[in-house]
Amino acid sequence: EAQVTQNPRYLITVTGKKLTVTCSQNMNHEYMSWYRQDPGLGLRQIYYSMNVEVTDKGDVPEGYKVSRKEKRNFPLILESPSPNQTSLYFCASSLFKGSGELFFGEGSRLTVL
Amino acid sequence: QKEVEQNSGPLSVPEGAIASLNCTYSDRGSQSFFWYRQYSGKSPELIMSIYSNGDKEDGRFTAQLNKASQYVSLLIRDSQPSDSATYLCAFTNAGKSTFGDGTTLTVKP
Repeated sequence: EAQVTQNPRYLITVTGKKLTVTCSQNMNHEYMSWYRQDPGLGLRQIYYSMNVEVTDKGDVPEGYKVSRKEKRNFPLILESPSPNQTSLYFCASSLFKGSGELFFGEGSRLTVL
Repeated sequence: QKEVEQNSGPLSVPEGAIASLNCTYSDRGSQSFFWYRQYSGKSPELIMSIYSNGDKEDGRFTAQLNKASQYVSLLIRDSQPSDSATYLCAFTNAGKSTFGDGTTLTVKP
């Protein structure tokens, strides 16, 4: 089954404790991206990657890191989480780089205390 | 000014009616436009993409794009209760995707 898998789906953590949200796709997609969704602010792009070893900032990259060492994986790293990073996070992928036809993961709800 | 503005909701229509969702964007470099549907508690799902001016139809859904007016719309004909969801307008430019805040549609039986 074609899918984008995120883990963990739910996480409560404390300020400053490093965490990683993993994202993996099994569709051989070139493009992968991370978004956060907040009430009243909509979906905002954090980082995206058009290919292995190529990553670019989206609209809200501060406080986040990403890497793309393999085509299928695109982890999101919060080095020192803060309460303002409490949000619903979505990973998405697309067959072609630059295409906006995104296939989303199920989301990861993160709470930072 | 937001890069993407969607008509404020919530929007409520009776079953069988036409639901009209509208979106304007400010980035004239935008090449590709999309409509996503998001059910409560779920992830967004692509329902329509449109790349050139005019209409594109897919079943009960019709997307309309007017690049000169920087306007894209989605019509849902014969609306069903299962269409009740939040609809997100989005555009892509050079790899970056920008989404609107969404319009919540309720279809009443």
